[in-house]
Amino acid sequence: NAGVTQTPKFQVLKTGQSMTLQCAQDMNHEYMSWYRQDPGMGLRLIHYSVGAGITDQGEVPNGYNVSRSTTEDFPLRLLSAAPSQTSVYFCASSSLRKREPEAFFGQGTRLTVV
Amino acid sequence: AQTVTQSQPEMSVQEAETVTLSCTYDTSESDYYLFWYKQPPSRQMILVIRQEAYKQQNATENRFSVNFQKAAKSFSLKISDSQLGDAAMYFCAYRSSNFGNEKLTFGTGTRLTIIP
Repeated sequence: NAGVTQTPKFQVLKTGQSMTLQCAQDMNHEYMSWYRQDPGMGLRLIHYSVGAGITDQGEVPNGYNVSRSTTEDFPLRLLSAAPSQTSVYFCASSSLRKREPEAFFGQGTRLTVV
Repeated sequence: AQTVTQSQPEMSVQEAETVTLSCTYDTSESDYYLFWYKQPPSRQMILVIRQEAYKQQNATENRFSVNFQKAAKSFSLKISDSQLGDAAMYFCAYRSSNFGNEKLTFGTGTRLTIIP
């Protein structure tokens, strides 16, 4: 059981470049989300999805785009990378069933924008 | 909007001793979940323990237990018999039980050091 698979683990981008962070889960979870982690700020929600075809913005959505064409996959796109997007990114998934509220996380991506 | 506050940026404890990490939260909801996540140097986010707000009994998982005070909106984590492998960043997190509001709200974390 792979859980949540997130790639790549590390990435260096030049300012203005675009890239996609991949996230896939095999637990049939309805809810998927992307967070960024910055020192002293905890994890902040970027975008989330409650099912295929449904996405919405979180706390810090600017500069990011998402789509959800299948239950399993939830990629995060950086449209034009900026140094302020240097961070650690986490994908997470969870069930919408009330007895299974905990989120499962990918291994994270450390992104550096130079 | 819900907020989660961890007022201890860093804590240290002697190996085999007990340590308590603090967390307070603010919400107007009556039904929700609270979590403690551990992030070791590997960066992986690992669920340590969860608490349902409707349950009065404090959750326990082996050496980890919580002190959940709903009226005070407090949710502390106690680690007994601390081990070197407990060294990590610990995050407290809140999640509503209401459909359509499943996002996790995190505190800023507490870095725990274990002294051999």
